[in-house]
Amino acid sequence: EAGVTQFPSHSVIEKGQTVTLRCDPISGHDNLYWYRRVMGKEIKFLLHFVKESKQDESGMPNNRFLAERTGGTYSTLKVQPAELEDSGVYFCASSGDTRNEAFFGQGTRLTVV
Amino acid sequence: KNQVEQSPQSLIILEGKNCTLQCNYTVSPFSNLRWYKQDTGRGPVSLTIMTFSENTKSNGRYTATLDADTKQSSLHITASQLSDSASYICVVSSMTGGGNKLTFGTGTQLKVEL
Repeated sequence: EAGVTQFPSHSVIEKGQTVTLRCDPISGHDNLYWYRRVMGKEIKFLLHFVKESKQDESGMPNNRFLAERTGGTYSTLKVQPAELEDSGVYFCASSGDTRNEAFFGQGTRLTVV
Repeated sequence: KNQVEQSPQSLIILEGKNCTLQCNYTVSPFSNLRWYKQDTGRGPVSLTIMTFSENTKSNGRYTATLDADTKQSSLHITASQLSDSASYICVVSSMTGGGNKLTFGTGTQLKVEL
């Protein structure tokens, strides 16, 4: 069974550009989470989807970040326009039930220059 | 404010030696505590999960302890191997109306050397 996959694995963009990260959860998992780790700091929660609905988006830093999960399958996280402080590793995780373990993808390393 | 603090920040040990990593948390309400191992370039992978009523849980050479009264956990690694070199992250789960919320520690970077 395929795990959580994220694309791209690395992205380097200039300040002001747009970047879209993609996450494919484990098939059948209704819960999908986005997290990010900024250099030297802990991994922090961004938002939580249950199927296509945003259950909790309290961790989204500002309106430059837009997450979608059309059809309740894969999810995208768009950053527009990107700023230098957006650099970090963005992780996606999925779980079949909110009480169960969340399985993480390998992360997307975003570098804004 | 929900927080998870880990110590030490980094650790270097010789292959074959044991080590213990610490985790203190202030997350409430508490649901469970997991230790994750994160290899470079990979996502975190769960090693152990402990609920409120569990004191000790083992997974091979990894043994986790939990003291829910003092809100402390430890991860003990026995007979370390080079492949144990990784970041070890303590994650506390809190069930709220919005679902399962995870609070991450900053991690302990472990390096095992010959």
